[in-house]
Amino acid sequence: SQQGEEDPQALSIQEGENATMNCSYKTSINNLQWYRQNSGRGLVHLILIRSNEREKHSGRLRVTLDTSKKSSSLLITASRAADTASYFCATDPSTSGTYKYIFGTGTRLKVLA
Amino acid sequence: SQTIHQWPATLVQPVGSPLSLECTVEGTSNPNLYWYRQAAGRGLQLLFYSVGIGQISSEVPQNLSASRPQDRQFILSSKKLLLSDSGFYLCAWSINNSPLHFGNGTRLTVT
Repeated sequence: SQQGEEDPQALSIQEGENATMNCSYKTSINNLQWYRQNSGRGLVHLILIRSNEREKHSGRLRVTLDTSKKSSSLLITASRAADTASYFCATDPSTSGTYKYIFGTGTRLKVLA
Repeated sequence: SQTIHQWPATLVQPVGSPLSLECTVEGTSNPNLYWYRQAAGRGLQLLFYSVGIGQISSEVPQNLSASRPQDRQFILSSKKLLLSDSGFYLCAWSINNSPLHFGNGTRLTVT
């Protein structure tokens, strides 16, 4: 079953604008990760935020985590056409006892040049 | 450095035929290994994961099976494919709770 749900399902923005994607999950987690997938390819890890962290930055990426609301957001600033891809959140449920990552449904981002 | 190889890249198989997808990892020892399936335009569904040789956990009842005959080899199999088995199959590895590293996937079409 899906642990996470991203919204929006699809997002279209102009180059230079910021893109925000949200992820909600259902159970307690050890960490939450964001991945990117270019069309027809495998996923690439972007950033990991632990359950005791609230915000994390990596280049143009900013991730927030609110464990009380069981939600996370990914912000991509100053977007570029090359950022066009699908973005997924993945959680490692703390009750699983294993390193079992459950993925959300993804947000398809299109950045228009 | 670590690398993951997954093949074939694409596969077209008739209903009722067998399936074998292979995934190998290089440059690391005792990785956790995963098989995910992605339907068109959808998220990833965890099918199997393995924390060691011969240790396979199945997440979804189905006509697929997985095996790990060697530390860095993970195989996804089926004796008889169904139309509903079509999809994009992704192999991945991790060490403990580190991020997942994915292969490039296999696009399976069952006709």
